[in-house]
Amino acid sequence: SQQGEEDPQALSIQEGENATMNCSYKTSINNLQWYRQNSGRGLVHLILIRSNEREKHSGRLRVTLDTSKKSSSLLITASRAADTASYFCATDARTPLVFGKGTRLSVIA
Amino acid sequence: EAQVTQNPRYLITVTGKKLTVTCSQNMNHEYMSWYRQDPGLGLRQIYYSMNVEVTDKGDVPEGYKVSRKEKRNFPLILESPSPNQTSLYFCASRRDRGGEKLFFGSGTQLSVL
Repeated sequence: SQQGEEDPQALSIQEGENATMNCSYKTSINNLQWYRQNSGRGLVHLILIRSNEREKHSGRLRVTLDTSKKSSSLLITASRAADTASYFCATDARTPLVFGKGTRLSVIA
Repeated sequence: EAQVTQNPRYLITVTGKKLTVTCSQNMNHEYMSWYRQDPGLGLRQIYYSMNVEVTDKGDVPEGYKVSRKEKRNFPLILESPSPNQTSLYFCASRRDRGGEKLFFGSGTQLSVL
């Protein structure tokens, strides 16, 4: 029952540029969450946006949610080499959190 | 420090030899879950537990068992491991069933020969 689907699968940018990742999902949700995973390590929660919110900010992160299009985007501004990681969206509905396959971000110094 | 502790970090075993991966959280969380992560398939949920003595199947429960006798512990048991269970496993917990973020363990890389 994989719900979230991230796009693109992989993204490579220069340090200082912005990185945008998208997530599409299929059914109604209570909230949508973004997580980060450094190579082979546990996922770390970045930000949660509720279904009645349209935009949320946390430091260099900006998340938007469009429930009519069933999509979300994660923007990382002024990226750094340390932002290199995989990013996952997870949808929270009546069933427990369901994760997408992730976007692999490479930030080149 | 609030954390989810998984052990072992790496495990190599042979087909059919029973094994247990332990998971413990120190945050008094009600909800705990196991995921496996495979290349190209993302994270898939194996089992979850909403409280002590309450467990439910996730998307890929075949070949796995869990138990939740205490709130803090949620071990994953492979009674007869097979090579297709070679994967990276994660335990996670959160305060209750919905609306909260998940805390993840560091992962267990399992190889079944």
